[in-house]
Amino acid sequence: QVQLQESGPGLVKPSGTLSLNCAVSGVSISNTNWWSWVRQPPGKGLEWIGEIYHSGSANYNPSLKSRVTMTVDKSRNQFSLSLSSVTAADTAVYYCVREASWLFNVFDIWGQGTMVTVSS
Amino acid sequence: EFVLTQSPGALSLSPGEGATLSCRASQSVSSSFLAWYQQKPGQAPRLLIYDASSRATGIPDRFSGSGSGTDFTLTISRLEPEDFAVYYCQHYDNSLYTFGQGTKLEIK
Repeated sequence: QVQLQESGPGLVKPSGTLSLNCAVSGVSISNTNWWSWVRQPPGKGLEWIGEIYHSGSANYNPSLKSRVTMTVDKSRNQFSLSLSSVTAADTAVYYCVREASWLFNVFDIWGQGTMVTVSS
Repeated sequence: EFVLTQSPGALSLSPGEGATLSCRASQSVSSSFLAWYQQKPGQAPRLLIYDASSRATGIPDRFSGSGSGTDFTLTISRLEPEDFAVYYCQHYDNSLYTFGQGTKLEIK
């Protein structure tokens, strides 16, 4: 059973960097999957942040591209998100997600989500 | 800029009734990459429909998807109490994922 678990600080200061990890269990991250981050501001909709492949190849949402970096740690079977120069607008629940390319690129497995607040 | 617009923003219905949720794309898209998700309060979204009309594993057959081009529909026949939630459509194209803004299905 594939499971994803986000971890990281719940509070980040404005202009700082938000850093989150996603631990993958039940499957090797080196399988033929892409892995994504999706966020949801309080009371609002879903926004795709970006995706990463086990090779390290990544694609980002153009609206966030200048501030986002994603990495993969195959030895720990996890992937990570870094978002720089954060503001209050980056306050959200952040989900790590598995992409199912065999289902026409949908998100079939979601982590429980982690709330990150940007505040001084 | 590619946009998915969902309507209505909110829908109030009673258990046992049917629901029709709309998702309109700002340009014609491949239906293969159109999906629907359900999200309940405090929970992560759950995949309902992929390829516009295929139900994901474990999804009851009262959920059905249809559509092509720019207009897609999620239909829920005979609403159950657990179906009241927020529903999102999502599209993938050229390494970019886009979500609609969601439709909140409320108990009347």
